[in-house]
Amino acid sequence: EDQVTQSPEALRLQEGESSSLNCSYTVSGLRGLFWYRQDPGKGPEFLFTLYSAGEEKEKERLKATLTKKESFLHITAPKPEDSATYLCAVQALNSGNTPLVFGKGTRLSVIA
Amino acid sequence: DAGVTQSPTHLIKTRGQQVTLRCSPKSGHDTVSWYQQALGQGPQFIFQYYEEEERQRGNFPDRFSGHQFPNYSSELNVNALLLGDSALYLCASSPRWGGYGYTFGSGTRLTVV
Repeated sequence: EDQVTQSPEALRLQEGESSSLNCSYTVSGLRGLFWYRQDPGKGPEFLFTLYSAGEEKEKERLKATLTKKESFLHITAPKPEDSATYLCAVQALNSGNTPLVFGKGTRLSVIA
Repeated sequence: DAGVTQSPTHLIKTRGQQVTLRCSPKSGHDTVSWYQQALGQGPQFIFQYYEEEERQRGNFPDRFSGHQFPNYSSELNVNALLLGDSALYLCASSPRWGGYGYTFGSGTRLTVV
């Protein structure tokens, strides 16, 4: 069974204090690993897709990396507007359009 | 470019009632998936539709059913509502062959009292 575990559950940072969020996964074969940002009461907003170990992607203060067992979302010099829940999901390699399997998310609070 | 739109945004129902939620996919997407997200949890897959048929289903009871229309829009129906059905219901659209993740709507917040 495909599984995703995210840690920590919650993270509180001072503005400018860099940190990393972890996503550990088990999947029969990986089609893609996805990071989403979710604000309270809203739907997930797409951030990154990673397809193979060693791949890295960046967007503003965020950088996502991937190994064969886990992914990290690095946040450099965060700002209060980066406060949100960050969700990690995997899509298995299979015929057709397989559904995403999500972790429970990391709730990030950035304090000014 | 319109993204995924869902309606209504909020609703309150009584136990035992039935509810219908609606979703219009992003332009160019023909596949619609529904997810349930309980408070403090990640989204859980309910089912997926394309070509107006249910193609995949998660671990949800038959009280949860759906439909897809020729214009690719979709409905989620839940019968005999339970208190535990209270959640944010998310619709996500994608191209049929996937591999590019999903675009999510803002969700419908369902409260069962």
